[in-house]
Amino acid sequence: DGGITQSPKYLFRKEGQNVTLSCEQNLNHDAMYWYRQDPGQGLRLIYYSQIVNDFQKGDIAEGYSVSREKKESFPLTVTSAQKNPTAFYLCASRMTRETEAFFGQGTRLTVV
Amino acid sequence: GIQVEQSPPDLILQEGANSTLRCNFSDSVNNLQWFHQNPWGQLINLFYIPSGTKQNGRLSATTVATERYSLLYISSSQTTDSGVYFCAVASGGGADGLTFGKGTHLIIQP
Repeated sequence: DGGITQSPKYLFRKEGQNVTLSCEQNLNHDAMYWYRQDPGQGLRLIYYSQIVNDFQKGDIAEGYSVSREKKESFPLTVTSAQKNPTAFYLCASRMTRETEAFFGQGTRLTVV
Repeated sequence: GIQVEQSPPDLILQEGANSTLRCNFSDSVNNLQWFHQNPWGQLINLFYIPSGTKQNGRLSATTVATERYSLLYISSSQTTDSGVYFCAVASGGGADGLTFGKGTHLIIQP
């Protein structure tokens, strides 16, 4: 099946730890995105990548890092510098800016 | 950046009722999508509709790009329609990525 796979579904992090969220797509899309959703809110853009080996900061990039070594993969690292990391994280992809975006099922990150 | 406002923020209806959800945006767009977020958090694509009108079963959407708004119509509501409906837009210039509204929380009661 074509789609976007995020893993894990649930993730628990201790204070001061870095954690990495996985996002893989087999839709042959060039562009990939990471969003954060807090309770009762819309989604906010963390990072995006329009092509392999290139990525750009979104609206709330502080405390996060990404890489794009392969077209299919766009992992997100939540670093210890992120002050309030507990949230729902969603990955998306699309072919171009003028085409439809599709989302993965999300990862719920909780700091314990 | 572009601003997106959705209304109403909350809507409670009886099964079988019709509803209209509105999305206003502050600048011209070349991409507009409607999503349904189910109780598990998954975003389900409803429409890609930067302009014009589309229909899919009981759902339809209209975007009037020149007046900077879009409407999502749900007819004969079912309990499975419950959830949060998001409008998301993107303009042709500036940073990539969709800008989301805060959503309309729809509850359909049996």
